[in-house]
Parts: sequence; structure tokens; C-alpha cells
Amino acid sequence: DIVMTQSPDSLAVSLGERATINCKSSQSVLYSSNNKNYLAWYQQRPGQPPQLLIYWASTRESGVPDRFSGSGSGTDFTLTISSLQAEDVAVYFCQQYYDTRWTFGQGTKVEIK
Amino acid sequence: QVQLVESGGGLVQPGGSLRLSCGASGFTFSDHYMSWVRQAPGKGLEWISYISGSDNYIYYADSVKGRYTISRDNAENSLYLQMNSLRAEDTAVYYCVRVDHDALGALDIWGQGTMVTVSS
Repeated sequence: DIVMTQSPDSLAVSLGERATINCKSSQSVLYSSNNKNYLAWYQQRPGQPPQLLIYWASTRESGVPDRFSGSGSGTDFTLTISSLQAEDVAVYFCQQYYDTRWTFGQGTKVEIK
Repeated sequence: QVQLVESGGGLVQPGGSLRLSCGASGFTFSDHYMSWVRQAPGKGLEWISYISGSDNYIYYADSVKGRYTISRDNAENSLYLQMNSLRAEDTAVYYCVRVDHDALGALDIWGQGTMVTVSS
């Protein structure tokens, strides 16, 4: 199985500041035939189910604020929150869907400093 | 609106069985792959299975293969998960999840989850 490793496990950011979460896959999730990275990001607020934020590594899901952005290719990916808001306090997960057996990163907890 | 509602969770003894159900509404159910994802208390997300719209593609995580069976009834807009030989480590919230139609593998709609507790 493809192993997804996120860093850091947690971070505290001041309101209005940038938050950056990294995700590394144990093998490339870039499919050469369509040049797409099979990588998604999710937000899970306390007590809630996860919510899809980003797919194809950088495409925002409908309704997701543009302060959320995804980047990267191959094995290294980043989720950036450009200006942290109070409602962004959550755990964030990356997920690969390149392989027939999908796998998630362990999660990164984002808090307010 | 698009909605997924799970049911069937509860307390079961080790070695026991349980069948989870998920009712879908607000979209053309048969057009979408569907999946189950679980989350143990205080832990991360674990994908466990998915099924294609016409159930000709089915995959399982190694942790549940041979014990769990995913199925669907498109006429009833329902997804199921039959869980046998349950273990303590299967204790988790089980989410029914819709797979994005275009980004096959991105999980775009999640239910609220149903709790399964395996304990004597």
C-alpha cells in the first residue's frame, strides 16, 4: 500500500497568518497518461465528519474558500491556508487515490496560537 | 439535498457480526462509486472498502478483507457493509461516503457516521 506521511502532526498559527501542511507519499501518485496527481485533502472539524477541500492535488471543491490551496506533484504535496480563520481549527488529512486501495495520512491538527 | 444516512451501528461481542446500512438521497445513486471509511476513537481515517456503481469493481483494505462484505442496492439507493468476525480493533465510527464522479477516489459527500463498538 502507498503510505502517506503528513508533517507536522500539529501546528498553532495566529489568526490571519499562514498555515502550511505537508504530505509525502511513499511512491508517486502522478498518473503520467493524464498528468494528474491522485491526491485529495480533507478538513475535519471537531465532532464533524470530514469534508473534501481539494482534489487532483490543487482543484478546490465547490464552496471551499479560496484561502485554501493545494500544490505539489509526484510524492510531495502541500495544503496552505493563506490567512487562518477561527473556523479553520480542525484536523486536516491527505489521501491518495492513485492505487486501487486508498490510504490517508495520519492527520495534522491546526489550532489558534 | 445530497444526503447519506448510516444506521446499524451498536455494541457487539468479539467474534460477532453486524450489518451497516446507508441510505442515499438527492443524487443518482447508481452513477457513483460508494465507499466506507472508519475512524477509531481519537484516531485518523482508514479507508476500508469501495464498490463501483454497477458493483463490478469491489476493493477492500487488508485489515478487513475476508471478514467484511460491501454491497449495494441501486433500486433502494442503499449501501451496505456486512461485518463478520469482529474484533476489538474494529471499534470505530463508520462513515458512508460518496466517491466523486470525475475524480474517482476523492470522497465528496460524507454521512454523519455510525458507531460500532466491539467489546465483551
